[in-house]
Amino acid sequence: ETGVTQTPRHLVMGMTNKKSLKCEQHLGHNAMYWYKQSAKKPLELMFVYSLEERVENNSVPSRFSPECPNSSHLFLHLHTLQPEDSALYLCASSQVAAGAAYNEQFFGPGTRLTVL
Amino acid sequence: KQEVTQIPAALSVPEGENLVLNCSFTDSAIYNLQWFRQDPGKGLTSLLLIQSSQREQTSGRLNASLDKSSGRSTLYIAASQPGDSATYLCAVMGVSNYQLIWGAGTKLIIKP
Repeated sequence: ETGVTQTPRHLVMGMTNKKSLKCEQHLGHNAMYWYKQSAKKPLELMFVYSLEERVENNSVPSRFSPECPNSSHLFLHLHTLQPEDSALYLCASSQVAAGAAYNEQFFGPGTRLTVL
Repeated sequence: KQEVTQIPAALSVPEGENLVLNCSFTDSAIYNLQWFRQDPGKGLTSLLLIQSSQREQTSGRLNASLDKSSGRSTLYIAASQPGDSATYLCAVMGVSNYQLIWGAGTKLIIKP
């Protein structure tokens, strides 16, 4: 595997289900990101992990819970979602240089989530 | 608060034409600017990254320029091909929190 991979690629879930999205990066990066892309809206940053610690959380509802067990893996745990949470969820990674400089981000193919 | 705008939202041109996509941003205090390509239902592919100290970057038929003082960037595509059809996204990274702020994209269709 190369680059950034995401599983599953498609997910349909009911509002009472619990599911998890997985992201893995094979680039040796030390920062990982979750983005939400809804139709006709700009990408929204959800979470940022740098060196496995969460450094940004842009007021995302608690029904989304991230987990970063190591620098190569990132999860997004989903619980009691709403239909408006249906979107493409994208994972990205980058290398954080000295002085907290976040450089070029590399993206996975995304998980297309549909909440019924 | 940084805002990024991409105009036009959609563009359709015949194959072979040269074209320009526009990106504007409201706060010139940026760390870098990136252009991405997104194919339908897919993730994003980074095309070009311009650091704040640079004026342009080139990759093959693509050339991106940056004018920080006016808050503008352009992506020039030479000799367009049907395979260039995709949505092109512009994103700026701020110096205060190093987050990417995104435009809504320009959907490009190249007609054979």
